[in-house]
Amino acid sequence: DAKTTQPNSMESNEEEPVHLPCNHSTISGTDYIHWYRQLPSQGPEYVIHGLTSNVNNRMASLAIAEDRKSSTLILHRATLRDAAVYYCILSSRDSSYKLIFGSGTRLLVRP
Amino acid sequence: EAQVTQNPRYLITVTGKKLTVTCSQNMNHEYMSWYRQDPGLGLRQIYYSMNVEVTDKGDVPEGYKVSRKEKRNFPLILESPSPNQTSLYFCASSLATGANVLTFGAGSRLTVL
Repeated sequence: DAKTTQPNSMESNEEEPVHLPCNHSTISGTDYIHWYRQLPSQGPEYVIHGLTSNVNNRMASLAIAEDRKSSTLILHRATLRDAAVYYCILSSRDSSYKLIFGSGTRLLVRP
Repeated sequence: EAQVTQNPRYLITVTGKKLTVTCSQNMNHEYMSWYRQDPGLGLRQIYYSMNVEVTDKGDVPEGYKVSRKEKRNFPLILESPSPNQTSLYFCASSLATGANVLTFGAGSRLTVL
């Protein structure tokens, strides 16, 4: 199963941009790159996903390297509510959509 | 509101007493899955289902059973719970197409004494 590697933790100041990196050097051609986040005492929440091109939505942006071996989740203006554990995950129909959650990156947002 | 509903949210039980954690979704999703979350181990998949009457094991299926008789429901059954099944459980669902974006339930915290 393809794995991802993320830093254990990162810190940011409120209202500043945050770039959360993820390495997935063994990604296959059919793998989608997903990002989920888990707020304290809640279930994981979908943030964004992409296949090859960069993606934007109301929550964040996803920048995917040209070789697809790494990606970056971008929160344009961090708020205190963005403090959570962020998971970078690969998923494909070939693997029966199995999502393998690693340990994620714990994001701390300073006021 | 589109959602995944789990019950109970909290449960304390004793070793060997059969229990069922229910999961229901109102989004007509084909794909449903159960995860458990433990400190230091992250989220691990227990079972998943691609559609009605189609289920398969995830990474940690031992001690658990599931069924998928209807599209909306995917109960997790612990026939004889043991203390090592004390955990936080999440149910999730999605359309089994393309990227398979999951919607998770709020979680069920189970303690087995």
